[in-house]
Amino acid sequence: AQKVTQAQTEISVVEKEDVTLDCVYETRDTTYYLFWYKQPPSGELVFLIRRNSFDEQNEISGRYSWNFQKSTSSFNFTITASQVVDSAVYFCALGFLTGANSKLTFGKGITLSVRP
Amino acid sequence: DSGVTQTPKHLITATGQRVTLRCSPRSGDLSVYWYQQSLDQGLQFLIQYYNGEERAKGNILERFSAQQFPDLHSELNLSSLELGDSALYFCASSVAGTGGGGYTFGSGTRLTVV
Repeated sequence: AQKVTQAQTEISVVEKEDVTLDCVYETRDTTYYLFWYKQPPSGELVFLIRRNSFDEQNEISGRYSWNFQKSTSSFNFTITASQVVDSAVYFCALGFLTGANSKLTFGKGITLSVRP
Repeated sequence: DSGVTQTPKHLITATGQRVTLRCSPRSGDLSVYWYQQSLDQGLQFLIQYYNGEERAKGNILERFSAQQFPDLHSELNLSSLELGDSALYFCASSVAGTGGGGYTFGSGTRLTVV
C-alpha cells in the first residue's frame, strides 16, 4: 500500500522567514514519482514540482528548494524568504508509472500562513 | 488556465438529487482522473479513465459513476446525494495511462448539498 504522511498540519511564519514542509512516503515500488502541489485560498491545485525515484538531485528554483532522500523516504520542500502570497495549503503526493496504479496518493496537506 | 476545464464551478443542490460534473481534459491527454476533496477525508482518488475505458477505481461510492466519451471528455455522476457528499471535486488529465508525464488539474467543482 502507498501512503504519504505530512506530519505538520499548520505552520505560521512571519514574512521573510524560511519554512520547510516535511513529507514522508511509503511504497514498495522502486519506480515512482513524487509531487508537491499548492492550493491557494481560491481552491485550485497548482503544480510545483515532480521528481522521479531515480533522480535524487536536489534543486533550487527561485525561492523554492526540494530535498529528496530515498534513504529516509522523505521529500521535503523549503520556501526561502517567505511571502504573504505563499499562504496556502501544500500537498505532497506519490504517483506511479504502472497503468494499474497511476493514481496520485496525497498527504493530508500543510496549511501555511505567512504573516506580514 | 491549466487546459483542463471543469464545469460547473459551483453547484448547490438538495439531498436526494442527482448531479453531473463535467471535465474536458487538456488537448492530447488520454487519461482523466477524478478526485474528491472533503474536509475529513482530504484528497481522495475516485476513478480513472483512459481513452474511454475505466482503468482504475479508488474510493468511489456505488451512488457515483463516471464515463469518458469518444471525444475524451468525462462526466462524473453523483446520485442520491447526501450532506456528506459536499466537497470539491477535481478532474485531472495526463497524456498516457500513467502519471509519468505529469498530471494537470482543473480548477474544480465545488458541490454543496443542502
